Amino acid sequence: GAVVSQHPSWVICKSGTSVKIECRSLDFQATTMFWYRQFPKQSLMLMATSNEGSKATYEQGVEKDKFLINHASLTLSTLTVTSAHPEDSSFYICSAFPGGDTGELFFGEGSRLTVL
Amino acid sequence: GNSVTQMEGPVTLSEEAFLTINCTYTATGYPSLFWYVQYPGEGLQLLLKATKADDKGSNKGFEATYRKETTSFHLEKGSVQVSDSAVYFCALKTGGGNKLTFGTGTQLKVEL
Repeated sequence: GAVVSQHPSWVICKSGTSVKIECRSLDFQATTMFWYRQFPKQSLMLMATSNEGSKATYEQGVEKDKFLINHASLTLSTLTVTSAHPEDSSFYICSAFPGGDTGELFFGEGSRLTVL
Repeated sequence: GNSVTQMEGPVTLSEEAFLTINCTYTATGYPSLFWYVQYPGEGLQLLLKATKADDKGSNKGFEATYRKETTSFHLEKGSVQVSDSAVYFCALKTGGGNKLTFGTGTQLKVEL
C-alpha cells in the first residue's frame, strides 16, 4: 500500500518554543491531508484538513494560530505547534488521501510531542 | 453528530482463541464503516470496510458486518495469532468527504 511518513517520531521541547512536524506521502501525491490529535485512551480527534495550495480548514475548537498547517506541495504537509505548552503534549497523526474511488486514507506512524 | 463507541481494552487472548471487538455508532445519514489496525510503531492501516447495510467486510481472517438495525460493526476473527496483537480502531464516514470519526481504539494482546 501507499506509504505516509511522519517526522520526527517523537520530540521533546521546552515550553514556549515551536515545534514542526512533517507529513510526507512517499509514493503518491496527496491533494488532501488530515491532522489528528490523540490523547491517551481517547479517539483520534480531527484537527484540520489540509489542501495543497490553500489554507487549511480547522475543526471547531482548534486554534489555527496555535497549530499552523502548511501544505505547500502534493507530498508534504507540516504542522507547527507554536509557543508550545505542556497541555499541547500529545500524539499527532497525519493521514493522506491519494484520490480515487476507494476513499482509502493512508496514515503516518504518528509523532509524540512532549512539552516540558 | 457522529460518534463511535468501542469496547475498552486491553483485550488479552490466547493464540487460536475467538475474537470479538464490539463497535457501535451514531451517525446522520448512511455512513460507511471501517476497521483500522495499528501495529506497534506503525501508522494506522485499513483492515476492512463496509459501505452499506448488511455488507460484510473481510480481510486477513477478520470479518465485520454492517448492522443497521443495531447500529453496530463488530470485528470478529475465529482464531487469533500473536501477530494480530495491535490496536484496532472502528471508524465511520458520512457524506462524500473523507473525514473519519474514530472510536477510542481497542488494544489486543495475543499470547502463546
